Amino acid sequence: EDQVTQSPEALRLQEGESSSLNCSYTVSGLRGLFWYRQDPGKGPEFLFTLYSAGEEKEKERLKATLTKKESFLHITAPKPEDSATYLCAVEGTGGFKTIFGAGTRLFVKA
Amino acid sequence: DAGITQSPRYKITETGRQVTLMCHQTWSHSYMFWYRQDLGHGLRLIYYSAAADITDKGEVPDGYVVSRSKTENFPLTLESATRSQTSVYFCASSIDGTTEAFFGQGTRLTVV
Repeated sequence: EDQVTQSPEALRLQEGESSSLNCSYTVSGLRGLFWYRQDPGKGPEFLFTLYSAGEEKEKERLKATLTKKESFLHITAPKPEDSATYLCAVEGTGGFKTIFGAGTRLFVKA
Repeated sequence: DAGITQSPRYKITETGRQVTLMCHQTWSHSYMFWYRQDLGHGLRLIYYSAAADITDKGEVPDGYVVSRSKTENFPLTLESATRSQTSVYFCASSIDGTTEAFFGQGTRLTVV
């Protein structure tokens, strides 16, 4: 059964304090791994897609990496506006049914 | 405006009533999805559609009905609402089902 586990559930950082969010997954053939950002009261907003182990993608202070079992979202020198819930999702080869993790709530204090 | 819109944004209904949540997208994306989001569960797929008149069940389809007569619309109907269906519902669309999805703003549904 496809499964996605994100850790930690919540993360509190000081502005400028770099850290990483973890997404562990099991899937029957990975078609793609997605990272989304979700602000309170809004729908998820797409950040990255990773397709194969070793792949990396960057956007501003965010960098996503992928191995065969997990993905990391690295946040470098975060700012308060980076505060949000970050969702990880996987798409397997078993069909068009993306599985989402429960998310990591990130709080960045000025 | 281009994008994906859901209506209503908020809805309170009584147990046993039928309620329909609307979703409209302007991109002509082939795939559309309905998710529910509950604390501790993340987003769970209810139904998805690969094209007009083609729909399939997701992880939690019981108690829900969908239709897709036009590419741009994908309504979700709760035939007889129950308190366990209190949730935030998100509609999404994607070009081919394997690329990133674009989400609506969500509908917060409360069943009393």
